Amino acid sequence: ETGVTQSPTHLIKTRGQQVTLRCSSQSGHNTVSWYQQALGQGPQFIFQYYREEENGRGNFPPRFSGLQFPNYSSELNVNALLLGDSALYLCASSGGSIVTQYFGPGTRLLVL
Amino acid sequence: DQQVKQNSPSLSVQEGRISILNCDYTNSMFDYFLWYKKYPAEGPTFLISISSIKDKNEDGRFTVFLNKSAKHLSLHIVPSQPGDSAVYFCAASITGNQFYFGTGTSLTVIP
Repeated sequence: ETGVTQSPTHLIKTRGQQVTLRCSSQSGHNTVSWYQQALGQGPQFIFQYYREEENGRGNFPPRFSGLQFPNYSSELNVNALLLGDSALYLCASSGGSIVTQYFGPGTRLLVL
Repeated sequence: DQQVKQNSPSLSVQEGRISILNCDYTNSMFDYFLWYKKYPAEGPTFLISISSIKDKNEDGRFTVFLNKSAKHLSLHIVPSQPGDSAVYFCAASITGNQFYFGTGTSLTVIP
């Protein structure tokens, strides 16, 4: 059983650019959640996808968007990047026991 | 609006002793609580959870206590081991739809 994987591990972008981060959920998990973790902070909920539909959204602007595919993998897209978007982006998947989430190692994004 | 708070940014404990990590929350609608452990350069690892219908849950050396009237939960680690040194996050959820995390407590277990 493979765990949650994320790609890329690190990314450097400049202000105004767009970025796509990817997540493969753990085998058998149909729910994926995305989080932003700034330095010294806890993960902040961005949104959750359940069977390809958005199933909850945190306090993030519309330039943060997502997608879930039929195989339950997921993408996080961020448009018009700001310096403040620099953070660790975490993906978590969950399955039968929906409240137990399993996290990937994260993608560290630096916006210059 | 920080709905889940961990007021102790760090904690040091001697090996073999008990580690107690605390977490407070403000939203009485939370019905599920989780603890995660995080090592540097890794994603958080699920440790233990508790439903709001319980007040205690044990898993080996880890026990989580929930005091709903005080809106407080704690994680007890007994005995503490050097490998337990990590950042611990508590998280709360309403029906598993949205999760709120605290800012974390860095635990150091001294050999």
